Amino acid sequence: DQQVKQNSPSLSVQEGRISILNCDYTNSMFDYFLWYKKYPAEGPTFLISISSIKDKNEDGRFTVFLNKSAKHLSLHIVPSQPGDSAVYFCAASASGNSGAGSYQLTFGKGTKLSVIP
Amino acid sequence: EADIYQTPRYLVIGTGKKITLECSQTMGHDKMYWYQQDPGMELHLIHYSYGVNSTEKGDLSSESTVSRIRTEHFPLTLESARPSHTSQYLCASSEYRGSHRVADTQYFGPGTRLTVL
Repeated sequence: DQQVKQNSPSLSVQEGRISILNCDYTNSMFDYFLWYKKYPAEGPTFLISISSIKDKNEDGRFTVFLNKSAKHLSLHIVPSQPGDSAVYFCAASASGNSGAGSYQLTFGKGTKLSVIP
Repeated sequence: EADIYQTPRYLVIGTGKKITLECSQTMGHDKMYWYQQDPGMELHLIHYSYGVNSTEKGDLSSESTVSRIRTEHFPLTLESARPSHTSQYLCASSEYRGSHRVADTQYFGPGTRLTVL
């Protein structure tokens, strides 16, 4: 059963407008969330993260919002640029036990964002 | 940002061949990971290591094996490749700092696209 779900396989947005990518999770133990961006034939690039003690984190054009009660997070990109066209992965981790046995990431299937000039 | 390298980037081989996918990182990260990803799907963890001489299997069963003799090097080996092994293989690393959440942020290499005929 998928613990991290990105229900929109694709999203098209006009350049300059806002892109909103959504992610839902089912495991209540998850307490840290990350967004990665991936171009074809390349590895994922870390974008932004948020801890469960916060409900918002901002970095330039990227803002992540976390709604713990709904087990939902979203990534907002504003303004969207053609170079933002890529697949965006949501990932989550649970701190679990102390020591080295924690911090593994569970990924969603990704959302392909196309920003139209 | 971590510097993490993977070779080869692309590999096409015949069934039954032994292959080794190389992964090296220059950041001195303790933790390293191997993921497998098929198009349109999530990343699945197949192996991880928390340090030298430490290796564990991930959530997705894999016929591959790994070794961690040096901190910076985490090669993956398939003794006898099969068409079912065709996939993209992604290596990642992260820094372990006890309970600090920085350990959750994994940095990825460019990946190896493996095709087994």
